[in-house]
Amino acid sequence: GAVVSQHPSWVICKSGTSVKIECRSLDFQATTMFWYRQFPKQSLMLMATSNEGSKATYEQGVEKDKFLINHASLTLSTLTVTSAHPEDSSFYICSARDPARSYNSPLHFGNGTRLTVT
Amino acid sequence: GESVGLHLPTLSVQEGDNSIINCAYSNSASDYFIWYKQESGKGPQFIIDIRSNMDKRQGQRVTVLLNKTVKHLSLQIAATQPGDSAVYFCAENHGNTGFQKLVFGTGTRLLVSP
Repeated sequence: GAVVSQHPSWVICKSGTSVKIECRSLDFQATTMFWYRQFPKQSLMLMATSNEGSKATYEQGVEKDKFLINHASLTLSTLTVTSAHPEDSSFYICSARDPARSYNSPLHFGNGTRLTVT
Repeated sequence: GESVGLHLPTLSVQEGDNSIINCAYSNSASDYFIWYKQESGKGPQFIIDIRSNMDKRQGQRVTVLLNKTVKHLSLQIAATQPGDSAVYFCAENHGNTGFQKLVFGTGTRLLVSP
């Protein structure tokens, strides 16, 4: 159980365009999802916490107008990278936890989206 | 950021050896810790977790040890196999009043030779 699906798995876009990444919880409802970014050979950095029905909470240094998050349903959160530039090229990973479990339960991760901006 | 990995330390072992991966965490108030395994091009995969009221927890071939005094966490893998080759991350829940957010450590690359 607790499967998180992410789409697309990879995307190449031109500089200045926008890209949308979807994150779905397949077998549970997630009121909260988390978006991480990972550069090569580095750790995962939390970008923002996506809250169903309300505004996302962004980590310090993450531009909310550049990384738009929408969590319109209990099973879907989207991350849109607006006006993408080559420095936005990275591995974006979403995660969620089953709220039906105790708060001491792990986050489950999608398989990530490799974004390359040319 | 809260946890920045500038490079990945590497642990090289022979198949069948026991592996120990260490992690120093940052927040003394963290109450929940998780070890994840990440294979190339994939998202992190849950291995084992531990609450702060415990100092040891065992799973299948894996053991996690928690030393809150020195804010240290370790993952022991018994009889390491080539399929265990991956990057391993510890993560801590930054909060002691419920789940708030997971912050990841630097990560360690485990290379298992046949």
